[in-house]
Amino acid sequence: KAGVTQTPRYLIKTRGQQVTLSCSPISGHRSVSWYQQTPGQGLQFLFEYFSETQRNKGNFPGRFSGRQFSNSRSEMNVSTLELGDSALYLCASSLEALSTNTGELFFGEGSRLTVL
Amino acid sequence: GNSVTQMEGPVTLSEEAFLTINCTYTATGYPSLFWYVQYPGEGLQLLLKATKADDKGSNKGFEATYRKETTSFHLEKGSVQVSDSAVYFCALGNDYKLSFGAGTTVTVRA
Repeated sequence: KAGVTQTPRYLIKTRGQQVTLSCSPISGHRSVSWYQQTPGQGLQFLFEYFSETQRNKGNFPGRFSGRQFSNSRSEMNVSTLELGDSALYLCASSLEALSTNTGELFFGEGSRLTVL
Repeated sequence: GNSVTQMEGPVTLSEEAFLTINCTYTATGYPSLFWYVQYPGEGLQLLLKATKADDKGSNKGFEATYRKETTSFHLEKGSVQVSDSAVYFCALGNDYKLSFGAGTTVTVRA
């Protein structure tokens, strides 16, 4: 069974640009959540999608957005990049929505974004 | 709000030593608690969980007990191996999301 796949694995952008990251969940999983991991802040929740609907959002500015497609694949977009957006962006999938499951998330290896 | 505080690393141990990683939390209501582990070059994976007070989660020789009176969920292993070298994250499930601690890097030397 294939795991969670994130693309691209590494990317470099400059300030002011935008970026789109992709996440393919485990087959059959309908929930996809996104996290930002930095050395200073640890893992911070960005948002969760379930059946193409955003169910919850963390404390991030509107420059961070996402969507989910009918096949459960998800994308997140960051516009007007800032130096502080440099981070590892992790995607996780689960069978059920975060509101009902018991926390067993399956994580991808992440997309490492560097903003110059 | 919800928050998780775990002991800072890095932690370096010798094989067969006892490992404990402290984790305390702040939350409203009755959260679920988890430990996730991230091995070098891999994504995070669930190590163990506990969904109510006094529950003990266990897996791969690791244990943690949900202590509501002390708002803690400390991770322990009696005899670590080199293969236990990883980053360990304590997490809390509440308000429709997971909140993670900062992570503790553990290195086990042969």
